[in-house]
Amino acid sequence: GAVVSQHPSWVICKSGTSVKIECRSLDFQATTMFWYRQFPKQSLMLMATSNEGSKATYEQGVEKDKFLINHASLTLSTLTVTSAHPEDSSFYICSSYKGGSTNEQFFGPGTRLTVL
Amino acid sequence: AQTVTQSQPEMSVQEAETVTLSCTYDTSESDYYLFWYKQPPSRQMILVIRQEAYKQQNATENRFSVNFQKAAKSFSLKISDSQLGDAAMYFCAPGGFTTSGTYKYIFGTGTRLKVLA
Repeated sequence: GAVVSQHPSWVICKSGTSVKIECRSLDFQATTMFWYRQFPKQSLMLMATSNEGSKATYEQGVEKDKFLINHASLTLSTLTVTSAHPEDSSFYICSSYKGGSTNEQFFGPGTRLTVL
Repeated sequence: AQTVTQSQPEMSVQEAETVTLSCTYDTSESDYYLFWYKQPPSRQMILVIRQEAYKQQNATENRFSVNFQKAAKSFSLKISDSQLGDAAMYFCAPGGFTTSGTYKYIFGTGTRLKVLA
């Protein structure tokens, strides 16, 4: 299979603090990982694309200094929400792409972030 | 820019009946894949079916099938013999490498499917 985990599954933090979310591909090496944000009853919005060992590519309108992405290995990518504010509260989903003929992404279970 | 339109925000279907969810997209790419994902209340994204754009034959996965019209850039999902467990949010997502060399999905706005017992 192709299993992707995320940790934590939910987190509550105070305004002004930073929060790190981990995304791991458990049984394959991911050439590329993606981070999405999903507001209630809305679609997934791509935030950034990260490749192992290189800087992430952010979508237009996403603040790279606010959402720090580190793709340190082929199985781990982290998203750090810096100086979080209530408007950063959302559901964050990561996915991993391992290449091959299907172009399929494998999704983590998501992380619910609540900023008080 | 690529756009994906799912014109039905919400659909209802009677259990055991058939329902079709529509999706149209706009892309300048020539080689791409199309995906339908299901997101149940758990919010875990689950792949329902995949279609290669270069294949004329429509993909089928058990009760799920697609009607892919490449020229019209239409990719609808048909669910036969609907079951209560099919109730979820469904997202259409064309994906593949762009001409700039990046790889990504573009998700549609979603269709919420309700299955009535």
